[in-house]
Amino acid sequence: QVQLVQSGAEVKKPGASVKVSCKASGYTFRMYPIHWVRQAPGQGLEWMGWINAANGYTKYSEKFQDRVNMTRDISVGTADLELSSLASEDTAIYYCATTGGYCSGGSCYNPLDHWGQGTLVTVSS
Amino acid sequence: AIQMTQSPSSLSASVGDRVTITCRASQAIRQNLAWYQHKPGLAPKLLIYAASTLHSGVPSRFSGSGSGTDFTLTISSLQPEDFATYYCLQDYNYSSTFGGGTKVEIE
Repeated sequence: QVQLVQSGAEVKKPGASVKVSCKASGYTFRMYPIHWVRQAPGQGLEWMGWINAANGYTKYSEKFQDRVNMTRDISVGTADLELSSLASEDTAIYYCATTGGYCSGGSCYNPLDHWGQGTLVTVSS
Repeated sequence: AIQMTQSPSSLSASVGDRVTITCRASQAIRQNLAWYQHKPGLAPKLLIYAASTLHSGVPSRFSGSGSGTDFTLTISSLQPEDFATYYCLQDYNYSSTFGGGTKVEIE
């Protein structure tokens, strides 16, 4: 079965960077993209971007474009999210997610049907 | 970037009620829309994709409709386990955006 297991909680100071890892298993890693989503305390879900696991192509939300970097290592089936210039507003639970890919009526869709358990990142001085 | 306007932001309902949540996209997104249920401490759960296709294992009381810019999630008869926050997510043109969320609370 598909599993995404994320790295543990992090505490960072303002201005620092954080890297969150997502280890995939139960499927061929390069076949499906990895997305990153976060939820700050009391806020809604926020899409950050995705990486094509096969070729490393990335697409980031405009909000994070200047300080996010998503990478992947096919050899170990891991995707990483790195966020720099952290501020208190970046305190959130960060999720990785992937899709099985579904096609119907000549169109294909990539809903996020498998999620990691979430990683709490706390930014505090 | 495509904006998703979700309404209402919260609602109170009773077990057995019919509940409707809407999402409006700032531009046409065909049927590239999914609905998620999110409970505290858990990862979001996929309910509907392609605007109206029920994901495997999701109860049939959940349904979705719409195309273009206007979309609806309906819960035909609210159950105790359905009290949660619901989000729409568009994924048109290689980018995605969540709606603001709808918190469904017990009346």
